[in-house]
Amino acid sequence: ETGVTQTPRHLVMGMTNKKSLKCEQHLGHNAMYWYKQSAKKPLELMFVYSLEERVENNSVPSRFSPECPNSSHLFLHLHTLQPEDSALYLCASSQEETGAYEQYFGPGTRLTVT
Amino acid sequence: GNSVTQMEGPVTLSEEAFLTINCTYTATGYPSLFWYVQYPGEGLQLLLKATKADDKGSNKGFEATYRKETTSFHLEKGSVQVSDSAVYFCALSIRNTGGFKTIFGAGTRLFVKA
Repeated sequence: ETGVTQTPRHLVMGMTNKKSLKCEQHLGHNAMYWYKQSAKKPLELMFVYSLEERVENNSVPSRFSPECPNSSHLFLHLHTLQPEDSALYLCASSQEETGAYEQYFGPGTRLTVT
Repeated sequence: GNSVTQMEGPVTLSEEAFLTINCTYTATGYPSLFWYVQYPGEGLQLLLKATKADDKGSNKGFEATYRKETTSFHLEKGSVQVSDSAVYFCALSIRNTGGFKTIFGAGTRLFVKA
């Protein structure tokens, strides 16, 4: 595997379910991110992990719970979601301490909450 | 504060037409600037970048020049193809007290007709 991978690619869940999204980066980066992309809305940064510590949490509801067990893996645990949480969830990684700080994105998980 | 403004879409062009997507920014320091592209069903990919004033980023026939005096980073391509149909995001990254922060524009959808 190369780059940033995300599983599953598609997920349909009921409002009472618990599920997890997984992201893995194979680039040796030390920072990872979760973004939410909804139709007709700007990209929303949800969480940032740098060196496995959460450094940013942009007022995300507690029904979204991130976990970063090591620098290569990032999870987003989901529980009691709402229909408005249906969106494309994108994971990204980058290498801090470089000048340009470009991010590398996975293909996303398309989440539908019924 | 820091922000990115890009032209609203969609932009519809015929094949071989000239493309310009405008992007302007505000920043409290000296940001790096990026264009990302998102093809249907995929995550964002870095298209090009520029890290200082007057730098020109280029890739796949696309170009953008970092203009500090006009705080702009407009994306151009001389002759678009149907395969260029995608959503284009302008972004900046800048160092702040918490590390680097990346801000994305709202995205501009491009349709290219054969």
